[in-house]
Amino acid sequence: NAGVTQTPKFQVLKTGQSMTLQCAQDMNHNSMYWYRQDPGMGLRLIYYSASEGTTDKGEVPNGYNVSRLNKREFSLRLESAAPSQTSVYFCASSEGGGWGVRLGTQYFGPGTRLLVL
Amino acid sequence: GEDVEQSLFLSVREGDSSVINCTYTDSSSTYLYWYKQEPGAGLQLLTYIFSNMDMKQDQRLTVLLNKKDKHLSLRIADTQTGDSAIYFCAESRRFGAGTRLTVKP
Repeated sequence: NAGVTQTPKFQVLKTGQSMTLQCAQDMNHNSMYWYRQDPGMGLRLIYYSASEGTTDKGEVPNGYNVSRLNKREFSLRLESAAPSQTSVYFCASSEGGGWGVRLGTQYFGPGTRLLVL
Repeated sequence: GEDVEQSLFLSVREGDSSVINCTYTDSSSTYLYWYKQEPGAGLQLLTYIFSNMDMKQDQRLTVLLNKKDKHLSLRIADTQTGDSAIYFCAESRRFGAGTRLTVKP
């Protein structure tokens, strides 16, 4: 099992460009998440998908869109990149959004480092 | 709103114990988690505690939970240089800012 994979690993964009960050998991998990990690601010939830076919806003959704393409894949799109979106982006998945450890434990991808000039 | 807070830095000497503290505001969480992030990698689950427990021990790791004060701590006994990492406290989908633990030889 590869776990959670993310592409690309690193990307440089100019202000106003668009791009899509890809994420896939092979653990048959129901829930998937996108976070951004900034120094001193920890992880902040951008969007999540509790199950296939549903997506919900997290703490910092502005400037982003997501697509839960199928159970395996959850993509994050920046329509018009801004320097404030320079960050490390992590995708994660969990078996479900319920209360149990098994359901709530999240498995993380290696991250995508994005630099917006 | 709901929040999870932790101090940002901790430095200890090899062989000492490390204690990383966390406070949270959402009392409805059934489980609280500790994740570890090594340089250049994603987060990995380190340990967790069920909200009706006071303490959980797992080899060198001890988790203490004071539900009344909404305070969670992670103690690492006999800290090694390989323990140098960022440690995140989390409840559900909300994470703290992470505590960078530096272990000096």
